[in-house]
Amino acid sequence: ELKVEQNPLFLSMQEGKNYTIYCNYSTTSDRLYWYRQDPGKSLESLFVLLSNGAVKQEGRLMASLDTKARLSTLHITAAVHDLSATYFCAVSAYSGAGSYQLTFGKGTKLSVIP
Amino acid sequence: EAGVAQSPRYKIIEKRQSVAFWCNPISGHATLYWYQQILGQGPKLLIQFQNNGVVDDSQLPKDRFSAERLKGVDSTLKIQPAKLEDSAVYLCASSLGSAGALETQYFGPGTRLLVL
Repeated sequence: ELKVEQNPLFLSMQEGKNYTIYCNYSTTSDRLYWYRQDPGKSLESLFVLLSNGAVKQEGRLMASLDTKARLSTLHITAAVHDLSATYFCAVSAYSGAGSYQLTFGKGTKLSVIP
Repeated sequence: EAGVAQSPRYKIIEKRQSVAFWCNPISGHATLYWYQQILGQGPKLLIQFQNNGVVDDSQLPKDRFSAERLKGVDSTLKIQPAKLEDSAVYLCASSLGSAGALETQYFGPGTRLLVL
């Protein structure tokens, strides 16, 4: 059974600071996604990482993937309040039931404090 | 482009009652998913449809949960009878092709269910 672990689960950081969220997974995967969820809202796709060494950047967020270490990171640069949300990583793997499934981590709740 | 629509947004029922949720995916999307998100957890896949056929329902508690996608568009998820542990947000998602989790899934706003 594929396990996806995120840490930290809760993160409080000051505006202007940098931090990294980690996502570890237990088996070989074909791709990894990062999603953002605001309170009471839907999940919004941020990044999809397809191969070892993949790096994607959007604004103050940068995601990377190391398939050999089974590790993805989401780096936040110079945080601003608007980044406050819960961030999920989700790993795609063959389910054995004829399809590829997404398995999500528990999420990292980020609060950016002025 | 309109997103994934779900209704109702909130539902409160008593245990042993039944409840149904509705989802309308993005137009033209072949694959539809239902997820259960318990408070403090990530979403967990319940069932995946490709057009109007079930691709994967291995994690659906079939003794009480059922889902259908008639005509390959809208879908309904039903719980009968509900238990306290079914309290969660039920998310519907859709994706364009038939590659399942090999392509980006687009999520609806969810239905928040509270079972008393």
